[in-house]
Parts: sequence; structure tokens; C-alpha cells
Amino acid sequence: GQQLNQSPQSMFIQEGEDVSMNCTSSSIFNTWLWYKQDPGEGPVLLIALYKAGELTSNGRLTAQFGITRKDSFLNISASIPSDVGIYFCAGRETSGSRLTFGEGTQLTVNP
Amino acid sequence: GAVVSQHPSRVICKSGTSVKIECRSLDFQATTMFWYRQFPKQSLMLMATSNEGSKATYEQGVEKDKFLINHASLTLSTLTVTSAHPEDSSFYICSGASSGGFPQGTQYFGPGTRLTVL
Repeated sequence: GQQLNQSPQSMFIQEGEDVSMNCTSSSIFNTWLWYKQDPGEGPVLLIALYKAGELTSNGRLTAQFGITRKDSFLNISASIPSDVGIYFCAGRETSGSRLTFGEGTQLTVNP
Repeated sequence: GAVVSQHPSRVICKSGTSVKIECRSLDFQATTMFWYRQFPKQSLMLMATSNEGSKATYEQGVEKDKFLINHASLTLSTLTVTSAHPEDSSFYICSGASSGGFPQGTQYFGPGTRLTVL
């Protein structure tokens, strides 16, 4: 089956710093989604990408759908303490409805 | 974004009992609902996919007789963990997706249900 590698696994940064995380897949995806999960909660959709090359922003968050359709990155600018959480990428192949999830990036922001 | 609710948020039960978890899409019609399981510090593991009015499709290794899924309407799906055992303790999360209204492939998640089996 398809594999989705997300990196880094964890990040420890100072408040105000920028953050970047990415996902690469062994398959071509037609959708990339980025979610954030707080402890004890379900994932919340941050950004959805549907076209290769697409660059989309949501406040301080920016995500891009890679040209090869096998990768995506998420950037967070000027991090704040409430950015703490686990960020998951998820991709959907050209057929079918299921999503494949990355292993997550645990972000810690020190005030 | 679209809203999905889950009930209960937490449940503690004795070994051997059955537990039902409800998942509702509050402001959209979820033609497809998904059930995931998540262990601590791990990613989401898809258990099954269900389309309204159809039998659920289970992932490899997931026992369909143990995890009963019903998707009776476009806004409600239920997961029943039958004869629960301690190893079934986990965080169960549902998500809904619509065939119309927002792009296919976008799933909106419920807040999750923490199941503890004693």
C-alpha cells in the first residue's frame, strides 16, 4: 500500500520562530490535507489542497501541493504558544475515498 | 468548516459489555463516514468506511463482527464495540465527507471518544 512519510517527528521552537514540516508519498495524490490535533480532541482541518502547485494560506499557515503530486509542505510563521499540538498531513489518491495519514509532527513552542 | 459531533466523549465499561458510539454531521450530509482508531502518540488508523444505506467496508485486520457500524442516515453513523476487552481501549474518531457541497476527499472529524475497558 501507499506510504506517507512526514517529517520531522517533533520540533521544539521558541515563540516567534517559523516552522516547516513536510510529507512525501510513494503514490500520486489528488488531494493533500493538513490537520492539527490537540490532546484528547479530533483533528481539525487547517488547509486543503486540490491542485498540483497550489499554494494556500490560512492566517499564519501556508501549505503547498507539490508539482510532482507526491509531496506537500506546511509552514507556520511567527509561532505562538497555541500552535502547540500534533500536525498531520493526509493525502487522497486519484481513486477511492480513503485518506492516508502521515505519522504526525509534534510541535512544542516555548514562550 | 463542517461540524461533526461524537457521543459520548468518554466511556468506561466493564470487560464483556458492548459500547455504542454515535457520530453526527451537524451541518452537512455525510454521504460517507469513516471510523478511525488512535493509540497514544500514534497516527490515525482507518478501521472502516461506510456509505449511507450500505454495508461498511472494513480495513484488513479489523473484525467486522466486533466493530459493528451502522450508517442509517446521511447525518448519523454508529460504531458498536461488542464484547469489549481491555485491548479495545483506545481513542475512536469518526469523520464525515460529502459528495457535494465541498470538494471530494475533504474529511471533517468529530472530537473523538475515549474508550476505557476495565
